[in-house]
Amino acid sequence: AQSVAQPEDQVNVAEGNPLTVKCTYSVSGNPYLFWYVQYPNRGLQFLLKYITGDNLVKGSYGFEAEFNKSQTSFHLKKPSALVSDSALYFCAVPRSNDYKLSFGAGTTVTVRA
Amino acid sequence: NAGVTQTPKFQVLKTGQSMTLQCAQDMNHEYMSWYRQDPGMGLRLIHYSVGAGITDQGEVPNGYNVSRSTTEDFPLRLLSAAPSQTSVYFCASSLRVPSSGNTIYFGEGSWLTVV
Repeated sequence: AQSVAQPEDQVNVAEGNPLTVKCTYSVSGNPYLFWYVQYPNRGLQFLLKYITGDNLVKGSYGFEAEFNKSQTSFHLKKPSALVSDSALYFCAVPRSNDYKLSFGAGTTVTVRA
Repeated sequence: NAGVTQTPKFQVLKTGQSMTLQCAQDMNHEYMSWYRQDPGMGLRLIHYSVGAGITDQGEVPNGYNVSRSTTEDFPLRLLSAAPSQTSVYFCASSLRVPSSGNTIYFGEGSWLTVV
């Protein structure tokens, strides 16, 4: 069954430093993979997705993600983090058998000034 | 473009009361769904719809009803509220079912407390 895992509950970085949020997947066939961000008391906002093609996907707010088939990973990256990037980040994969998105547990990112 | 609109944002209910969470989208999306988000449980699918007149159960449907009389609207009804239904509820929609790879868009959430 399609699933994703986020191995880190929390990521702490200093403003201006690179930010990486990890996601690994378990998917049969070619995966569709998504990243969402949730700010406090807000809904989930779509950041980017991988469908096919280039392994490096660019998304909103300066984020990008690299699809790595050999490592079954889809890590989210930002070259220079901002304090405003502090939020909860979810990796997700759609499931074909029950019509839903399967989410990772989420990673809380804290960017300190 | 309003996207996915949910109302109300916050609600407090007494045990046993009923209420409806409203969800509307203006993107002509076929697929709509309701999730609840709870600490330590992540996001769980309550009900979903693949088109007007078609609904089906998700992972945690008990205590909730839905209907899809139009493409735009997908209300979630709590029949008799229980404290276990205290949660944050998100409506979501996409052009086609999630396995198509279409982006799923979420509403801003409804914070529900049952006392």
